[in-house]
Amino acid sequence: DAGITQSPRHKVTETGTPVTLRCHQTENHRYMYWYRQDPGHGLRLIHYSYGVKDTDKGEVSDGYSVSRSKTEDFLLTLESATSSQTSVYFCAIRTLRENTEAFFGQGTRLTVV
Amino acid sequence: AQSVTQLGSHVSVSEGALVLLRCNYSSSVPPYLFWYVQYPNQGLQLLLKYTTGATLVKGINGFEAEFKKSETSFHLTKPSAHMSDAAEYFCAVSAGNTGTASKLTFGTGTRLQVTL
Repeated sequence: DAGITQSPRHKVTETGTPVTLRCHQTENHRYMYWYRQDPGHGLRLIHYSYGVKDTDKGEVSDGYSVSRSKTEDFLLTLESATSSQTSVYFCAIRTLRENTEAFFGQGTRLTVV
Repeated sequence: AQSVTQLGSHVSVSEGALVLLRCNYSSSVPPYLFWYVQYPNQGLQLLLKYTTGATLVKGINGFEAEFKKSETSFHLTKPSAHMSDAAEYFCAVSAGNTGTASKLTFGTGTRLQVTL
């Protein structure tokens, strides 16, 4: 257990509504990431953060925003959910220490109807 | 920019047979390479990683992978498959572990089926 909690674990929402997913870590790691997983695409990076209030876009950032006001929390917001954002979302953390890997949360399954 | 290609979205082997999952990468700098496994309805678990040093790396559950720079490959192998190895496997690359280099780029995954 890498100390990562994603909430909610499952959510069904309607098209056009805003949705916020939360990633909480207890490891005090600097780097945090949001990925989405879709069949045939693997995991694709949405946004990532390298410190409080320091965030950057990944390869599929359109329609998403993030915030990190505390080291332990990284929020992903779908500003106006669309059916194409139906996916499984994973949060990951990574330490600055040399030769280390990323640790993943259990995922959030989001369905937009 | 970096990328990963996993050849074969589905691989089926018999129990006891050799497992070979292929991964080729592209990176403009010396890469950090990873294999992750995902069981149904779970997150990703690290199998093994290559960062520096020995090019043959051993991981959990009897898996190993060899970094071959000349072939830009990092194939995953296991001498004898077990039913419990059935899962999806992802190869990933990063350019380092700081700043923008820390983000991982994943392949599209290979689903391993193990039959009796």
